[in-house]
Parts: sequence; C-alpha cells; structure tokens
Amino acid sequence: DVKVTQSSRYLVKRTGEKVFLECVQDMDHENMFWYRQDPGLGLRLIYFSYDVKMKEKGDIPEGYSVSREKKERFSLILESASTNQTSMYLCASRRERYNSPLHFGNGTRLTVT
Amino acid sequence: GENVEQHPSTLSVQEGDSAVIKCTYSDSASNYFPWYKQELGKRPQLIIDIRSNVGEKKDQRIAVTLNKTAKHFSLHITETQPEDSAVYFCAASSDRMTFNKFYFGSGTKLNVKP
Repeated sequence: DVKVTQSSRYLVKRTGEKVFLECVQDMDHENMFWYRQDPGLGLRLIYFSYDVKMKEKGDIPEGYSVSREKKERFSLILESASTNQTSMYLCASRRERYNSPLHFGNGTRLTVT
Repeated sequence: GENVEQHPSTLSVQEGDSAVIKCTYSDSASNYFPWYKQELGKRPQLIIDIRSNVGEKKDQRIAVTLNKTAKHFSLHITETQPEDSAVYFCAASSDRMTFNKFYFGSGTKLNVKP
C-alpha cells in the first residue's frame, strides 16, 4: 500500500515566518504534488515535481516555493507566511505511468496568525 | 487550462436512496477521470476511475458514466449507507499533456441520513 506521509498534522505560525511543509512517499513515485484545499474551492495545485530537482508551477504558486532534492521527499516552503495562506495543504504522489492515480497524504492544517 | 465544475455542492439523501454527482470538463484532451472520497479529517482516497475509451464502469454500489461528446461524467451511488457520508471530488487529467496534471472539482458534501 502506498504511503504518503506529511510531517505535521497541525501547524500554527506567525505572519512573516518562513514555513516548511515536508512530504515523504515510500513507493518510488516519480511525480509529487502540493495542493491547497479550501472550502468551496476544491483542491488547487500549487507546485508539482516530475523528477528529482525538477519542479513546475501549478495554478496558485505565488508566495510558495518547493524543493525536491531526493526522489522520496517534496518540500513546500512559504517564504514569508501570510494570513491568507491559512489552509489545509495536501501532498500527493503518483507513478509516471499511463493514467495512474494520485495518492494523498493526510494533510497539514496550517494556521497563520 | 482545464476547468472542472462539480454539482451539487451539498447533497442530502435518505439511507437506501441513490445519489448522483455530476462534473463537467472543458478540455477535450482530458482522458482520465478519477473520483475521490474524503471522510472528515482523512485523506482523499480513490474510489473509482474511468478512462475515455470506456463509457461506464461499475464497482459494487458505485458507478461512473462518461459522455465525451458532452464533456461530462457522473458518479452514481446506489443503496446509500451512512458510511457513504463524505466529501466527493471529481478530477480530470490527460496523459497527452507534457505533465500529467490533475484538475479537481470543488467537491460535493454527501450526507446520508439514517
């Protein structure tokens, strides 16, 4: 069974802090994704990575950056946290194969005060 | 890019009744349509998916239909049970694009009343 692990379930940070959200998958998946989930808006793609050290912007990348130094780990970075980044963050991974599905982590609920 | 719309946003049914959730997509290149179920406080989990070369797929009480011409697909749950209560997300994706991005609908909160 695929396991996608997000390091924190809940985080509370102050405005202006630099925040790191970590995600690790154990299935040697090539592709990894960071989504943001807000009520009524569904899941919106922030960034994704199709291979080590490779990254692409999603639909809402502003205020975020990512890092993928190892295949199993994909980090989301909030350079200077703002209150409008309070949200649920979901990491996902998938095998780079014809129509293979996403596998999600449990999510990190981030509150920026 | 792709735009996925999902309706209704909330759905309340009596236990044993059927539930239908509908999604439309805009990009004719999309060819893979998964459905995810997210129970309260848990991760979204894949419950069923359909590829564009198939019009219908069924797995026990769950079925998905796809109309490529009209660009819409639907999730059907029969004989609903309280444990079906959750938020359901549809998604569209294409392996013909450079990167296989997944576009999600806004979600449907299903409440099954005992």
